[in-house]
Amino acid sequence: DAKTTQPNSMESNEEEPVHLPCNHSTISGTDYIHWYRQLPSQGPEYVIHGLTSNVNNRMASLAIAEDRKSSTLILHRATLRDAAVYYCILKGGTGNQFYFGTGTSLTVIP
Amino acid sequence: GAVVSQHPSRVICKSGTSVKIECRSLDFQATTMFWYRQFPKQSLMLMATSNEGSKATYEQGVEKDKFLINHASLTLSTLTVTSAHPEDSSFYICSARQNEAFFGQGTRLTVV
Repeated sequence: DAKTTQPNSMESNEEEPVHLPCNHSTISGTDYIHWYRQLPSQGPEYVIHGLTSNVNNRMASLAIAEDRKSSTLILHRATLRDAAVYYCILKGGTGNQFYFGTGTSLTVIP
Repeated sequence: GAVVSQHPSRVICKSGTSVKIECRSLDFQATTMFWYRQFPKQSLMLMATSNEGSKATYEQGVEKDKFLINHASLTLSTLTVTSAHPEDSSFYICSARQNEAFFGQGTRLTVV
């Protein structure tokens, strides 16, 4: 699976939007972009995923660059409960495994 | 979304003993489940892929005789840490896929 690069950490003020970037310059045409987040002492949880078009759900939005070499997870209004490590993962091909990178640790400041 | 449940959530064992962790998919059938290990301040590391009715597939560097995996039914996979030592203390997480991946809440293993 292709590699992703994310900043180690980011901060956001509560109730402000947060844009979490992910670079994936070696993405292949069949790779989906997945985002998961992990709250402290919990297993990861699904946030959103997409292939080419921007995606929205109740948790977040995913903006995918036209060349698909980068994407941005957007939390429209950060809350204290959004403080977590956010992982951007590429998944394609026949394997079912998800391999995690280092992720971005998001701190939300009250 | 789908639910994956792990048990126990926390376990303390003595060095040299074995510990079994269970992972259940509660509302869907999973022919494949995944086991991860996570050390403090680090990311999740995939240990092995558990296959229902057949042998597990281990990632490079993971000792299959130490981390025994059994996937006897479509809703249950177990990970047994055999002859546990303090360096095996970690957060163990299982996962199953139904379109997306769903993760258990994790098991904190402490070996004393």
